[in-house]
Amino acid sequence: GAVVSQHPSRVICKSGTSVKIECRSLDFQATTMFWYRQFPKQSLMLMATSNEGSKATYEQGVEKDKFLINHASLTLSTLTVTSAHPEDSSFYICSAETGTIYNEQFFGPGTRLTVL
Amino acid sequence: GQNIDQPTEMTATEGAIVQINCTYQTSGFNGLFWYQQHAGEAPTFLSYNVLDGLEEKGRFSSFLSRSKGYSYLLLKELQMKDSASYLCAVRPYYNQGGKLIFGQGTELSVKP
Repeated sequence: GAVVSQHPSRVICKSGTSVKIECRSLDFQATTMFWYRQFPKQSLMLMATSNEGSKATYEQGVEKDKFLINHASLTLSTLTVTSAHPEDSSFYICSAETGTIYNEQFFGPGTRLTVL
Repeated sequence: GQNIDQPTEMTATEGAIVQINCTYQTSGFNGLFWYQQHAGEAPTFLSYNVLDGLEEKGRFSSFLSRSKGYSYLLLKELQMKDSASYLCAVRPYYNQGGKLIFGQGTELSVKP
């Protein structure tokens, strides 16, 4: 089946630093990947749609200069949280479309970001 | 706007059957997904409906009525490991990269 990996799985950083999260589709090519954030006991909130070779499409209310997305290849998308602050602490999850009959999204294992 | 509603919490007994409902009002419709998510883990795909009716997959079944904007996930022969959050998600459009709009999730607790 389709496998999506994320790295790192957990990161703790100081306020003001930048953090990069990688999302990889391991056994398939993903033209489109998605980035979500999830707060405790809440559902997934779509942040942006990442398209290979073009600019990401951000959801309303998501600062594109703060959450930089780069989809440089068909198997890799990165999310960089710039100048992180404690309110950015969250669970960040990426997903990739499989291109199968349902075109369902397969999710990475998530990255727990804690900003001190 | 886009709106997807699910009950916040449900409790059921091991071995029983439980139905988790989902209602949606979206600007378009190109399929409804159910995902299971255990705490601290990524969601895993359970089912997909795009036409009206019931889709059965082992202990899990999912139903869709597009005219009513309604779906349910049916879990049979509940096991303790089924305790998780169940997310209903709608894909409003196909030409927007297939993005999904998620409901708030239903936290299911299975008791012995």
